[in-house]
Amino acid sequence: DAGITQSPRHKVTETGTPVTLRCHQTENHRYMYWYRQDPGHGLRLIHYSYGVKDTDKGEVSDGYSVSRSKTEDFLLTLESATSSQTSVYFCAINPEEGDSTEAFFGQGTRLTVV
Amino acid sequence: GENVEQHPSTLSVQEGDSAVIKCTYSDSASNYFPWYKQELGKGPQLIIDIRSNVGEKKDQRIAVTLNKTAKHFSLHITETQPEDSAVYFCAARPYNFNKFYFGSGTKLNVKP
Repeated sequence: DAGITQSPRHKVTETGTPVTLRCHQTENHRYMYWYRQDPGHGLRLIHYSYGVKDTDKGEVSDGYSVSRSKTEDFLLTLESATSSQTSVYFCAINPEEGDSTEAFFGQGTRLTVV
Repeated sequence: GENVEQHPSTLSVQEGDSAVIKCTYSDSASNYFPWYKQELGKGPQLIIDIRSNVGEKKDQRIAVTLNKTAKHFSLHITETQPEDSAVYFCAARPYNFNKFYFGSGTKLNVKP
């Protein structure tokens, strides 16, 4: 398995509280992504990063922010959690070097907002 | 942006039969099409991929075909086994954006 660790793996939080999910990689890959997975919607991109301090929005970025201060860490913050943000969150990494185009996924974080 | 549609959402086959999952994409700039398998409680894992300069690719019991003109690509699994039961996702990546756009997933159930 690619060296990706997501933490926490499970979290229950209350509506209105801030929440930060962490993605840590040991592969030194340039690109990192945050996706959310919901029934009937597949995987939808929230934000992605193409380098330290370089980030951009995905399809469903409202209510989320990200930061990448080091190559190995990509943080996803829910500024004020809502029930609609109950989901499974996946981090992915991609080297995008030469012919290497595969995206590797973490194990996921199940977030429940009550 | 890119829009990927995937069908069917669920597929049930008898062990030993073949399974076919189809996807369409909208952006002609997409040039890389991976397929991922997700087992319960795990993250998606790449099982096969194809680039736009190739029409078909095969790896043992799985194969992927691509029709660039029609903007659709398909996953074919032959001689299905119970361990093939999982959720399968197709994806597309435009050449000018290193972002992956996923289909909504197909839950494959292989009955022994």
